[in-house]
Amino acid sequence: DQQVKQNSPSLSVQEGRISILNCDYTNSMFDYFLWYKKYPAEGPTFLISISSIKDKNEDGRFTVFLNKSAKHLSLHIVPSQPGDSAVYFCAASVSGTYKYIFGTGTRLKVLA
Amino acid sequence: DADVTQTPRNRITKTGKRIMLECSQTKGHDRMYWYRQDPGLGLRLIYYSFDVKDINKGEISDGYSVSRQAQAKFSLSLESAIPNQTALYFCATSDSGRGGEQFFGPGTRLTVL
Repeated sequence: DQQVKQNSPSLSVQEGRISILNCDYTNSMFDYFLWYKKYPAEGPTFLISISSIKDKNEDGRFTVFLNKSAKHLSLHIVPSQPGDSAVYFCAASVSGTYKYIFGTGTRLKVLA
Repeated sequence: DADVTQTPRNRITKTGKRIMLECSQTKGHDRMYWYRQDPGLGLRLIYYSFDVKDINKGEISDGYSVSRQAQAKFSLSLESAIPNQTALYFCATSDSGRGGEQFFGPGTRLTVL
């Protein structure tokens, strides 16, 4: 049973436009969420996180939104750049467990 | 120098062989993790360790074992490799702070023939 789902395996966006990557979860105990970016032949790198006490967190071009009632989070990248082309994973955890459940990833391609 | 290193980076082996994947970190983190990545399945947790004397099973520990030799070293062993253990393996670390984003190594690509 996949507790964290990324239903879009891939996404293509024009450079300069907004990229929206989605993530759904089923476990209502999850209260901390993270996004990672992964380039080929490299390990994932941390991008941005959000606690369940917030519904939005921004870091430069990256914003994560959390809708607890819908058990849904999204990552917005504005403006998208070709260097953003990568696989993006969302991850979720329950406070105090320090165990993270990852989604299956979405491959983003930003077209120049 | 990389903060989290994994050796080997690539390995091809045969069914039934014992394989050890090694992970070292210079970040001083207490927590270390082993994941595997398969196409369409994302990253799945194999084992994790919160300190040298603490080892815990993850989602898919069957067929694997681990050793935390020191705070900085965490090894993953496949006692008798089988073809469905062919995957990309990642080691990760995190500190003891709130949330604790993880820092990943570059991965080991393992092929079991």
